[in-house]
Amino acid sequence: DTGVSQNPRHKITKRGQNVTFRCDPISEHNRLYWYRQTLGQGPEFLTYFQNEAQLEKSRLLSDRFSAERPKGSFSTLEIQRTEQGDSAMYLCASSLHGPSNTEAFFGQGTRLTVV
Amino acid sequence: DAKTTQPPSMDCAEGRAANLPCNHSTISGNEYVYWYRQIHSQGPQYIIHGLKNNETNEMASLIITEDRKSSTLILPHATLRDTAVYYCIVRAVAGSARQLTFGSGTQLTVLP
Repeated sequence: DTGVSQNPRHKITKRGQNVTFRCDPISEHNRLYWYRQTLGQGPEFLTYFQNEAQLEKSRLLSDRFSAERPKGSFSTLEIQRTEQGDSAMYLCASSLHGPSNTEAFFGQGTRLTVV
Repeated sequence: DAKTTQPPSMDCAEGRAANLPCNHSTISGNEYVYWYRQIHSQGPQYIIHGLKNNETNEMASLIITEDRKSSTLILPHATLRDTAVYYCIVRAVAGSARQLTFGSGTQLTVLP
C-alpha cells in the first residue's frame, strides 16, 4: 500500500512529557499537511510543508509544537510538555502541487491521550 | 472560504440513495464545492468536487444548484460501509491547496 502512513497509531503519555509523531506521505507528493481533530469536531489545520519548507502555521500551533520535514519526504510533529488539552487525533495528509494537482490524501492518524 | 451549513445527522436505508444537503449561500464565483467523508477512526477521504456543473464519479454524484448556493451529495446505493461523517467544504483553489476548513459535517448512518 502506498498511502499516507502515520506512526504510532496510538500514544498514551503523561502530562509534561514530550511526544513525537511521524508521517510518511505518498512518495511523489510534495505537499504535506498536519491537522488536529478533537472528539466530535472536524479536523483543524495546523501547518503545511511544500518540500522541506514550512509555508504556513496555524494559530493553533503553539510554541510547544514543532514540525519538520528535513528532506522533503517524511515529517515529524513534536509536542513538548504535553497538556491534557493536547489529547486529540493528529492527522497527516499529502498532495501533489504543480502542473498536475491531486487532492489531499489523509493517513489514519495518531491518537494521543495525555493522562 | 465561504461557510457551509449541514444537518448534523441523517439516516438512510441500505440500498437506497442517500442525499446529503449542504448550504453555502455566500459562495463566491471562484469557489469550488468539495466533499470528504470520515469513517470512524480513519482519516478523511476525498469523494468529489465541482464548480458549477453536476459531477459524477465512481463514489457519488454532486448536484449544485444553478445559483450555487446549495448542493447535494448523492450516494446512489448506500451500503453499511458508507456510514461516516460527511463534510461539505467550499474552497477557492481546485486541486491541492494549503488547507481544508472542515466544519462539523453530517453523520450519515446507513441502516440495515
